[in-house]
Amino acid sequence: NAGVTQTPKFRILKIGQSMTLQCTQDMNHNYMYWYRQDPGMGLKLIYYSVGAGITDKGEVPNGYNVSRSTTEDFPLRLELAAPSQTSVYFCASRPVNGGETQYFGPGTRLLVL
Amino acid sequence: RKEVEQDPGPFNVPEGATVAFNCTYSNSASQSFFWYRQDCRKEPKLLMSVYSSGNEDGRFTAQLNRASQYISLLIRDSKLSDSATYLCVVNPSPYNNNDMRFGAGTRLTVKP
Repeated sequence: NAGVTQTPKFRILKIGQSMTLQCTQDMNHNYMYWYRQDPGMGLKLIYYSVGAGITDKGEVPNGYNVSRSTTEDFPLRLELAAPSQTSVYFCASRPVNGGETQYFGPGTRLLVL
Repeated sequence: RKEVEQDPGPFNVPEGATVAFNCTYSNSASQSFFWYRQDCRKEPKLLMSVYSSGNEDGRFTAQLNRASQYISLLIRDSKLSDSATYLCVVNPSPYNNNDMRFGAGTRLTVKP
């Protein structure tokens, strides 16, 4: 199993551009999450999904959108990039019956200039 | 007050030392608690869950104090490979176990 994979690893965006961060997991986990981690700060939940077709806002959803059309994929969309969205983005997943342990992808570093 | 608060450190200790980290949480209804480890520029990985009765995994011991609203992590006989940032994670809601709150982390450097 590859686990949770994220692409791209690193991206530079100009203000106002849009992009999609990809996240895929091959563990058949129902629950998936998007977090952002700013320097010196804890991870903050952006959006999560409890299954295909179901998404919900986390603590900091503004400026982002998500979709969940399959169990495996949970892309995060930035429509109008702003410097405040410069961060490291982590995707995570967990199974329904596996406790609350989350399995994280390697992260995407995003710089908005 | 932050929901989850940790001493950022850094803690610089020699190999073989015992080191302890504390983490306080603000919501008394918090249900579950975890310690994650994050290596530099890597993703977080679960180190251990924290149970009401406390738990131990080799050199690592985690404790929960609900009355004072803190959890602790004790590392005995520190190894160079223990150098990392340790994240305290709390589930504040009895109704939603998807909205975890992360502390900013405590950085540990173990030196030869």
